[in-house]
Amino acid sequence: AQSVTQPDIHITVSEGASLELRCNYSYGATPYLFWYVQSPGQGLQLLLKYFSGDTLVQGIKGFEAEFKRSQSSFNLRKPSVHWSDAAEYFCAVGLMDSNYQLIWGAGTKLIIKP
Amino acid sequence: DGGITQSPKYLFRKEGQNVTLSCEQNLNHDAMYWYRQDPGQGLRLIYYSQIVNDFQKGDIAEGYSVSREKKESFPLTVTSAQKNPTAFYLCASSSGQGVIQPQHFGDGTRLSIL
Repeated sequence: AQSVTQPDIHITVSEGASLELRCNYSYGATPYLFWYVQSPGQGLQLLLKYFSGDTLVQGIKGFEAEFKRSQSSFNLRKPSVHWSDAAEYFCAVGLMDSNYQLIWGAGTKLIIKP
Repeated sequence: DGGITQSPKYLFRKEGQNVTLSCEQNLNHDAMYWYRQDPGQGLRLIYYSQIVNDFQKGDIAEGYSVSREKKESFPLTVTSAQKNPTAFYLCASSSGQGVIQPQHFGDGTRLSIL
């Protein structure tokens, strides 16, 4: 069965340090890939998406993600985090043979140390 | 500003009671979705609708019902058959067809049992 794994439940990073959040998927073909961010008690906001082409995609708020087909991964990165980046981050996969359904990872909660 | 409005923000349900969560969008999107979010589990799809007067069950539809009488509105009813309704409920919408279109989210409704 298709699945999305975010191995880290929590990650703590100092303000100004770099960040990498991991996302791995299980699917036979290249899926559509998304990263969303959720602030406490709010809905989700799209950070970036990958469909095809350049495997390094740029998103909002200074985030980027790299698709690595050989590793079935789509890791999210940011060179220098800000306290306002504290939130929960979700990776999601859209399958070509599924009309409307996304498969979601369980999320990674980002904690920023001052 | 275009967006998705969910109401109420907080909702309490008594035993044996049905409650309805409202979701309205002014993005002119065709597709709408309801998700349930529990801590550490990511998002699970309850129902989705591609067009007016049509909707499909997601992964956890039991104990829930929906209607799609208008393009802008997709209310969710949590029935008394849903034995564990306490969760954060998110409504989303997307344009066009298929998972290639990113989903836009409301700010959610938190449902609790009295």
